[in-house]
Amino acid sequence: QKEVEQDPGPLSVPEGAIVSLNCTYSNSAFQYFMWYRQYSRKGPELLMYTYSSGNKEDGRFTAQVDKSSKYISLFIRDSQPSDSATYLCAFRKMNTGFQKLVFGTGTRLLVSP
Amino acid sequence: DAEITQSPRHKITETGRQVTLACHQTWNHNNMFWYRQDLGHGLRLIHYSYGVQDTNKGEVSDGYSVSRSNTEDLPLTLESAASSQTSVYFCASSVLAPTDTQYFGPGTRLTVL
Repeated sequence: QKEVEQDPGPLSVPEGAIVSLNCTYSNSAFQYFMWYRQYSRKGPELLMYTYSSGNKEDGRFTAQVDKSSKYISLFIRDSQPSDSATYLCAFRKMNTGFQKLVFGTGTRLLVSP
Repeated sequence: DAEITQSPRHKITETGRQVTLACHQTWNHNNMFWYRQDLGHGLRLIHYSYGVQDTNKGEVSDGYSVSRSNTEDLPLTLESAASSQTSVYFCASSVLAPTDTQYFGPGTRLTVL
């Protein structure tokens, strides 16, 4: 079983739609949960991170973590064509010392005007 | 502005040749990383470094080496390129903070014929 599962998409939505991107994970030691956005031919950039279960909101983006179900989500409200990118979930075990990031394979999102 | 750069952006080489990919960051970060990104596998860690003269193997280090002689640079060397090393390579740097936010370079697309 893979440590992280993420649907590769592509997910196609019209402009203005609410988008839900999801990852499941199997390692209960993961404590930090991140979403990276990667535009075509570019490097990933950190979009959001959360530490605990619950929701964290930043503008049109909401990150949700359910540790009991080992499930994280990223919601995008009022999606824009500029949101078209690949979204990678990432996980990290703990704060002390080096702990590598474990990435999902990414979900490609296409927002059409 | 601080940044992280990679060169070359595109490289075509032949099987058996030695190839070096450059990574340079002006963030003054101690931690630097090399990843490869392949369809269906996501980002996989090749090597990482905590600081000058420190290097460590990641999960897919066979056939690759790095050296860290200063804070700014972490070149990645493919000793004898193989077709299986055709990939997109990303360099990243970070400060070991609660989120361990990693800042990625633009990537190098390497083709081994």
